[in-house]
Amino acid sequence: DARVTQTPRHKVTEMGQEVTMRCQPILGHNTVFWYRQTMMQGLELLAYFRNRAPLDDSGMPKDRFSAEMPDATLATLKIQPSEPRDSAVYFCASGLWPNEETQYFGPGTRLLVL
Amino acid sequence: AQSVTQLGSHVSVSEGALVLLRCNYSSSVPPYLFWYVQYPNQGLQLLLKYTSAATLVKGINGFEAEFKKSETSFHLTKPSAHMSDAAEYFCVLITNDYKLSFGAGTTVTVRA
Repeated sequence: DARVTQTPRHKVTEMGQEVTMRCQPILGHNTVFWYRQTMMQGLELLAYFRNRAPLDDSGMPKDRFSAEMPDATLATLKIQPSEPRDSAVYFCASGLWPNEETQYFGPGTRLLVL
Repeated sequence: AQSVTQLGSHVSVSEGALVLLRCNYSSSVPPYLFWYVQYPNQGLQLLLKYTSAATLVKGINGFEAEFKKSETSFHLTKPSAHMSDAAEYFCVLITNDYKLSFGAGTTVTVRA
């Protein structure tokens, strides 16, 4: 049963610290997304990649967030320095576009910045 | 712009009663529409999708949705609610460049 995996599942850190979240997309998928979910804003797209190339990162605060795909099996989202307002659940999703419309979501990383 | 609007942020139903979640869309091109479910502390799981084939779409866990172009709607229904249906449900539209446009979500609670 192929799944998107994310690590860590939970992260508590102090303001100013660096946070790195990792995602392993479903093998063979060519598109990877990062979303953020908060009570106030709901689900927001932060960035996405196709064939490891960044296509759109307009949803990310550029000064502190960065997203990369070092290889086809790993996507990373970094926050440096972290701030309390970054507290949220961060989801990774993957898909195979244009062959299939569905995006498959990981379980999320729940981040709390104190 | 392509978008979806979910009517009602919270729905409460009795176990065994009909579940009806409303979603309207706005799109200048034929839309692809989805319903996702999110159980507490979990990711989003696909319930069903409409991709311009049959207008009545059946999904997992007994849910179905009907695409009505004349009403620009894609409402989700389940004839008989179960306690395990308590979750948040998102109506989602996929845009031309494969981005997802999410509704605000509807939280379903099921009363025993």
